[in-house]
Amino acid sequence: QKEVEQNSGPLSVPEGAIASLNCTYSDRGSQSFFWYRQYSGKSPELIMFIYSNGDKEDGRFTAQLNKASQYVSLLIRDSQPSDSATYLCAVRRGSTLGRLYFGRGTQLTVWP
Amino acid sequence: EPEVTQTPSHQVTQMGQEVILRCVPISNHLYFYWYRQILGQKVEFLVSFYNNEISEKSEIFDDQFSVERPDGSNFTLKIRSTKLEDSAMYFCAISGTANTEAFFGQGTRLTVV
Repeated sequence: QKEVEQNSGPLSVPEGAIASLNCTYSDRGSQSFFWYRQYSGKSPELIMFIYSNGDKEDGRFTAQLNKASQYVSLLIRDSQPSDSATYLCAVRRGSTLGRLYFGRGTQLTVWP
Repeated sequence: EPEVTQTPSHQVTQMGQEVILRCVPISNHLYFYWYRQILGQKVEFLVSFYNNEISEKSEIFDDQFSVERPDGSNFTLKIRSTKLEDSAMYFCAISGTANTEAFFGQGTRLTVV
């Protein structure tokens, strides 16, 4: 069973639209959830983290967590061409000492 | 955002050779990690390091790998006898605690020929 699953995409949205990225995880004891953005050939860049059920907003980004459904999502409002990247969902289990489990990522393209 | 500097940015080595990848965190974070990403695949955990010892390692981190923080600043990953399948991007990451967010360095692209 895969630890963290994401739709690989590609997801393509027009500029100004809302992009919705989804992630599910298998370990019900997972405690921390992260979204990273990765441009081609570059390192993961942290954009959001969420620890509690519900929504967390930061600028144009909103992370949503539903632990009962083992589901975490990222909404990007007013999408810009510069948002075009691969978005990685990462999960930290309660039993691990900092280790992150990554999904394969969803490739997002925002076209002007 | 904490800064993590990795050197070299790109290393080409012959199969069987030893390589050392270096990471210098510009902060007082306590937890250090190495991850790797084979081209087109997901980011994979290798090892975590806290208080000058390994706190967790994955099944990938076998006897050919080792880590150390020899001088209290540099954090290194050594691959003793490189294989073709070791070709990947290697990322160093840091976090303040085991439960807080992790920040990644820019990576070292290792190519084994």
